[in-house]
Amino acid sequence: QITLKESGPTLVKPTQTLTLTCTFSGFSLSTSGVGVGWIRQPPGKALEWLALIYWDDDKRYSPSLKSRLTITKDTSKNQVVLTMTNMDPVDTATYYCAHSDYAYYDAFDIWGQGTMVTVSS
Amino acid sequence: QTVVTQEPSLTVSPGGTVTLTCASSTGAVTSGYYPNWFQQKPGQAPRALIYSTSNKHSWTPARFSGSLLGGKAALTLSGVQPEDEAEYYCLLYYGGARVFGGGTKLTVL
Repeated sequence: QITLKESGPTLVKPTQTLTLTCTFSGFSLSTSGVGVGWIRQPPGKALEWLALIYWDDDKRYSPSLKSRLTITKDTSKNQVVLTMTNMDPVDTATYYCAHSDYAYYDAFDIWGQGTMVTVSS
Repeated sequence: QTVVTQEPSLTVSPGGTVTLTCASSTGAVTSGYYPNWFQQKPGQAPRALIYSTSNKHSWTPARFSGSLLGGKAALTLSGVQPEDEAEYYCLLYYGGARVFGGGTKLTVL
């Protein structure tokens, strides 16, 4: 059974850097074809894709946020970390991580429960 | 900036059929955009329904189907149930990037 869980601060100040961790079980990020992505959702708004990292350390970023994002993986800990620099109140959102697999055309098939992050001074 | 457009809201009667669509600002949506569909209920994480245009996940009810329709990706619900009331999001692939649509709020009334 695949599960993912996001963790990190619930409150960050403007201009600070946000670090979120996705801890997963039921799969390995060293398995060919596997990936983990990050998606966010501001309150009452639509989903927004942020980043994706693959088993081979290939990384993809949202073009509009690329300069602020870094995604990394720690295969031994079954974790993926997303950092976002220069946080702003508009970055207030629920942040989700999700599993993907080439077998399902890279679909985000299993999602974590999400973690709410508020940006405020 | 690429924009993916969905109907903001739709209403359907229980037992009825409804089609949600997903359009791309870059032109016609083809299978090469690998359309995905997700369902989200209030306070819950999104749940994957459809991947690569028309493929269902093992948990996707049979009444949900995906297709391409008139240059758009489409999600059709046949025999709508009250529990299908939710927000629905499409996702398109643009090379290595992904873009979600703005979502369709489906009301079952």
